[in-house]
Amino acid sequence: LAKTTQPISMDSYEGQEVNITCSHNNIATNDYITWYQQFPSQGPRFIIQGYKTKVTNEVASLFIPADRKSSTLSLPRVSLSDTAVYYCLVGDSNYQLIWGAGTKLIIKP
Amino acid sequence: GAVVSQHPSRVICKSGTSVKIECRSLDFQATTMFWYRQFPKQSLMLMATSNEGSKATYEQGVEKDKFLINHASLTLSTLTVTSAHPEDSSFYICSASIREDTEAFFGQGTRLTVV
Repeated sequence: LAKTTQPISMDSYEGQEVNITCSHNNIATNDYITWYQQFPSQGPRFIIQGYKTKVTNEVASLFIPADRKSSTLSLPRVSLSDTAVYYCLVGDSNYQLIWGAGTKLIIKP
Repeated sequence: GAVVSQHPSRVICKSGTSVKIECRSLDFQATTMFWYRQFPKQSLMLMATSNEGSKATYEQGVEKDKFLINHASLTLSTLTVTSAHPEDSSFYICSASIREDTEAFFGQGTRLTVV
């Protein structure tokens, strides 16, 4: 099962672009990469999912290099409400998702 | 996206009593649901995988007789914490997915406090 490594915490300011990188050196061929956001005392919320190259939706972008050993979640123009814990998960099915410690993102005014 | 509803959101119970938590997929059928436990400032820990119509699969270290899981239908799974003790106080979260290779949608979580 692929494990992920993320920074424990990050700080940024409102209006800035925030990039959170996740390392997953032993990602398997069939694995996809998924990012979740969690606010205190709430269930995680799906942000974005990708397999390779770049994926973009209305809230974020996900950059995945060719070797897929890492991925970067990009949050454009963050606001105070983006303060949360962000989890990077790797797996080929929901049965095998391992939740790491996540990255605590703090946005300052 | 798909909606998963978890109830109750908060519960306080006396030590020795049992508590039931419900997890419902409101607008899709979930063959499989997952139950997690999360202690303060820690990540989610998978407790068990709940399959409709069959026995749940528990992770190592999770007591089957203490955490009873029932997956009665394609839209409902329940977790019953039996004979709860203060150390069972935690945040319990369920998730469901349409297929095992699609994103999982999470319930709002249940804050259990055993006094």
